[in-house]
Amino acid sequence: DTGVSQNPRHKITKRGQNVTFRCDPISEHNRLYWYRQTLGQGPEFLTYFQNEAQLEKSRLLSDRFSAERPKGSFSTLEIQRTEQGDSAMYLCASTKQGNYGYTFGSGTRLTVV
Amino acid sequence: QKEVEQNSGPLSVPEGAIASLNCTYSDRGSQSFFWYRQYSGKSPELIMFIYSNGDKEDGRFTAQLNKASQYVSLLIRDSQPSDSATYLCAVNRDGQNFVFGPGTRLSVLP
Repeated sequence: DTGVSQNPRHKITKRGQNVTFRCDPISEHNRLYWYRQTLGQGPEFLTYFQNEAQLEKSRLLSDRFSAERPKGSFSTLEIQRTEQGDSAMYLCASTKQGNYGYTFGSGTRLTVV
Repeated sequence: QKEVEQNSGPLSVPEGAIASLNCTYSDRGSQSFFWYRQYSGKSPELIMFIYSNGDKEDGRFTAQLNKASQYVSLLIRDSQPSDSATYLCAVNRDGQNFVFGPGTRLSVLP
């Protein structure tokens, strides 16, 4: 297993379009997280899953955002009706249950034009 | 008050010097503390973590934690130009999600 994989690496979309990102975590990690990072800021928590259950969503996550992890393996993050303010790096991370540090994927850079 | 605060920098140190990066947090219930390094355009990578008051050393890196002062720091000894990056402090409050600070940009000058 080579780590956390995210696809696509880059996405440019027009305002109002829907986009979907995928994250494949490290196989033995049962926790999966989505974060968003803008230039000059630290990652902001969006949501996380333990196995297939979505246990927490940030108040930052508007109704246009939805995430799934249907079989407790890979996860998708969908943004509907994208806005320019959604432009950011979307980071996925995974970890084992417990107090361990994350392993991050390479991220998906979204640009909304 | 933000939950996790860091000086944004840039912090510039000469090659071979000790770089000292600081982080304060607001939630006294925070349990564990992590330092990540992020190169420009890359994702964060874990350097080290600390749970207990005191110092923890790993190679050229030392993390220091003072829960009473709600303060955690990272020292980098013998700084190298390759250490030039943004250093993110992350705090785990409840064993679940992490809160990150804004990061400190470190520049090691050759």
